[in-house]
Amino acid sequence: NAGVTQTPKFQVLKTGQSMTLQCAQDMNHNSMYWYRQDPGMGLRLIYYSASEGTTDKGEVPNGYNVSRLNKREFSLRLESAAPSQTSVYFCASSEMSGQPQHFGDGTRLSIL
Amino acid sequence: GEDVEQSLFLSVREGDSSVINCTYTDSSSTYLYWYKQEPGAGLQLLTYIFSNMDMKQDQRLTVLLNKKDKHLSLRIADTQTGDSAIYFCAETPWRRDDKIIFGKGTRLHILP
Repeated sequence: NAGVTQTPKFQVLKTGQSMTLQCAQDMNHNSMYWYRQDPGMGLRLIYYSASEGTTDKGEVPNGYNVSRLNKREFSLRLESAAPSQTSVYFCASSEMSGQPQHFGDGTRLSIL
Repeated sequence: GEDVEQSLFLSVREGDSSVINCTYTDSSSTYLYWYKQEPGAGLQLLTYIFSNMDMKQDQRLTVLLNKKDKHLSLRIADTQTGDSAIYFCAETPWRRDDKIIFGKGTRLHILP
């Protein structure tokens, strides 16, 4: 019973490098989300996908792109990493938009 | 605007009851949630309540909703060391059912 799986769990990048964070869910959920979590800031929504084939910006989309590859998978790409993107990134999914979200264990990303 | 507020810290003695409080701004919220985050882990959906309910009980957890005051609480009976975590309150605003608004989290510390 995997739920939401994120890879990698940890990553260190140099400024300017690119990287794609992967997320997959096995619950047949329609909606998927990417958040970042920073100390004192709580969770902030980066992008979300209400259903397969659609993506929308969240609260902090600058510097990121997403791809909803299929119903199961939703990836987050950093094209040119910056130190301000050092954070813990969480992927989540829900059966429909606005319904309870289920989270992965996170990717801890450091940009040097 | 949309906002969810909760106190940042709570200390409780082992065996006592913990009560974590939250206030929200959207009186038309459809769902209200409590999530638990243990160190180094993702957010775990603990429980949620529909806006047409006043109370929900699940083993040691009791959720109370006061719609008039826009106040949500989570009571943990017989608090154990394993309950030490950050607890996030969240809501789905009725007019924005595509996303969940999270509070910044309450860190629950268990005293021996």
